[in-house]
Amino acid sequence: DADVTQTPRNRITKTGKRIMLECSQTKGHDRMYWYRQDPGLGLRLIYYSFDVKDINKGEISDGYSVSRQAQAKFSLSLESAIPNQTALYFCATSDAGTGGNQPQHFGDGTRLSIL
Amino acid sequence: QQQVKQSPQSLIVQKGGISIINCAYENTAFDYFPWYQQFPGKGPALLIAIRPDVSEKKEGRFTISFNKSAKQFSLHIMDSQPGDSATYFCAASKRRGDYKLSFGAGTTVTVRA
Repeated sequence: DADVTQTPRNRITKTGKRIMLECSQTKGHDRMYWYRQDPGLGLRLIYYSFDVKDINKGEISDGYSVSRQAQAKFSLSLESAIPNQTALYFCATSDAGTGGNQPQHFGDGTRLSIL
Repeated sequence: QQQVKQSPQSLIVQKGGISIINCAYENTAFDYFPWYQQFPGKGPALLIAIRPDVSEKKEGRFTISFNKSAKQFSLHIMDSQPGDSATYFCAASKRRGDYKLSFGAGTTVTVRA
């Protein structure tokens, strides 16, 4: 089983709908992240959470919200989806570690299309 | 505004050749520089990383070269193999603080057999 699981893997929906993307992890990591990937733009950070009570905005948080339901679960919501939110979305986790950066471990992504 | 600029956008190399991907950054507070590899349908995975106290790091056929004064770093894939065909992302972050990664735009590498 994957260490970082994203559901759904694919979703097609209409403008104005509320969408929730879910992420769960079995790695026991405290830190979790949501990114979106667009061609030619790489990965951009939407939100990140360093523990259950800590939620922070990333560089492109407008139009998105998140919920950290437990150490292992971090969900991303689009309250009213718009076509320019069509993208590939990734959840990632990392250990808190000591002495600096720890690798981020990514799920396999959710491909979201908004018509 | 992307904090890490990556080039080229794509490259094609023959099996056994060398692939070179370049990245540049402006924020002098960055002091951790990882490279991630992504295969189609999968999430990125850490390939190799370097800190600015060394100018080069090698792991197998993959080498990072780092030029602190020029604020540039590059990934070299030696003896490229078809299995190396993937998208590669450079990234940068601060070693202390919020540890957020800033990613480059990505380079799609195709290795022809």
